[in-house]
Amino acid sequence: KQEVTQIPAALSVPEGENLVLNCSFTDSAIYNLQWFRQDPGKGLTSLLLIQSSQREQTSGRLNASLDKSSGRSTLYIAASQPGDSATYLCAAAPHNNNDMRFGAGTRLTVKP
Amino acid sequence: NAGVTQTPKFRILKIGQSMTLQCTQDMNHNYMYWYRQDPGMGLKLIYYSVGAGITDKGEVPNGYNVSRSTTEDFPLRLELAAPSQTSVYFCASTYGGLSEAFFGQGTRLTVV
Repeated sequence: KQEVTQIPAALSVPEGENLVLNCSFTDSAIYNLQWFRQDPGKGLTSLLLIQSSQREQTSGRLNASLDKSSGRSTLYIAASQPGDSATYLCAAAPHNNNDMRFGAGTRLTVKP
Repeated sequence: NAGVTQTPKFRILKIGQSMTLQCTQDMNHNYMYWYRQDPGMGLKLIYYSVGAGITDKGEVPNGYNVSRSTTEDFPLRLELAAPSQTSVYFCASTYGGLSEAFFGQGTRLTVV
C-alpha cells in the first residue's frame, strides 16, 4: 500500500526566501506525481505533474523534481511571496490515476 | 468553462438521514473521483469511475454509493449518515492517466 508523507507539516518563511517542500512515498512504482495547492476553504489546484519517466517540471517560480529510486519528490519555490501562503499537497498515482495517494500537506506561511 | 462543480457547498445532516452530493464536469473527462478530507489529513479516495456505467471502490467506500450514468455527472450518495462521515468532500476529474486532476470547491458536511 502506497504511503505518502510530507515533512514539515508547517513552514513559515520571510518574503523573498527560496524554499523546498518535501514529499516521500513508499512504493516507487508510480505512474506520476502531482503537486497541488489548496487555499483555506477551497479545492485543490494542480501546480505541476511529473510523469514517472521525467525527473522534473517547471512552471514560473516553481520547480518540482522526482527521484523514484529514493521515493522522493521536492517542490522548490523561488523568491517566495505572501501570495504563496497556502497548503501544498503531493499525490502519487500508481497507474492510470485510479488511486492517487495524498500526503497530509505542508502549510506554508510567507511573512511580508 | 466551469470545470468541476459541486453542490451543495455546506450541509448539516442529522444522524440517519441520507443525501446526495452532486458533481458535474464540463471538460469531457472520462475519469471522475470522490475524495474526503479530514482535518490535518490527506485526501482519501471513496469511489472512482473510469467512464459512464463503470464505477469502483476506493480506499474508504463504506457508507457511500455512487453512479455514473453520463460522462458529466458523478453523484455521491450517503445513506444513514453517521458522525464519522463529517468531513469535506471533493470531487475531481482527469482525462485518463496522464493529465492533471481538476477539483471542485468541496462540500463541507457535518453530521450531528
